[in-house]
Amino acid sequence: DIQMTQSPSSLSASAGDRVTITCQASQDIRNYLNWYQQKPGKAPKLLIYDASNLETGVPSRFSGSGSGTDFTFTISSLQPEDFATYYCQQYDNLPITFGQGTRLEI
Amino acid sequence: QVQLQESGPGVVKPSETLSLKCSVSGGPINNYYWNWIRQTPGKGLEWIGYFFYSGDTDYNPSLKSRVTISVDTSKNQFSLHLSSVTAADTAVYYCARQAEGMDVWGHGTTVTVSS
Repeated sequence: DIQMTQSPSSLSASAGDRVTITCQASQDIRNYLNWYQQKPGKAPKLLIYDASNLETGVPSRFSGSGSGTDFTFTISSLQPEDFATYYCQQYDNLPITFGQGTRLEI
Repeated sequence: QVQLQESGPGVVKPSETLSLKCSVSGGPINNYYWNWIRQTPGKGLEWIGYFFYSGDTDYNPSLKSRVTISVDTSKNQFSLHLSSVTAADTAVYYCARQAEGMDVWGHGTTVTVSS
């Protein structure tokens, strides 16, 4: 299985901050990497697909980059509603695997 | 817009089979992969398996011996069957549609394995 390692596991920030989360794959996954946001009691929500493509309806303050094994997710200016847990997910190889999550808190 | 809704028992006894349904509304089951994912505090998000509308299925090797995903296109539903459950199968179970990313999810249903 491809291991997805997110860093950091948790992050404290304030509204207006720029935040970056990294995700490292244990082998080359090309650009088959997605990012999700999950709030307590809710299902994950797709934000970024194929490493850098913004899902329809998702605010432009969210962005992603990278390819191969190293990926970055950025929120350019944190809004109060962005405090949540974020996950990366690869689908280059089965089984599909997720990172362990990054909890973004105030 | 497409919506997914999981349904099934909230409690399953150890050694029995967990069976869940995912009802798809707002569009047909075609042109996508249809997934089951579960989430636990300890293991996070775990992909269980999917089927493709053409009929292909694939499962997580860690669960493959116990999992079956089936589809009823006449009802626009797909199902998860997980046999010989233990406490380790206690989780929130989600169904999700996948194009590139998993862009539509159900709300999730909590299943507890307990006698």
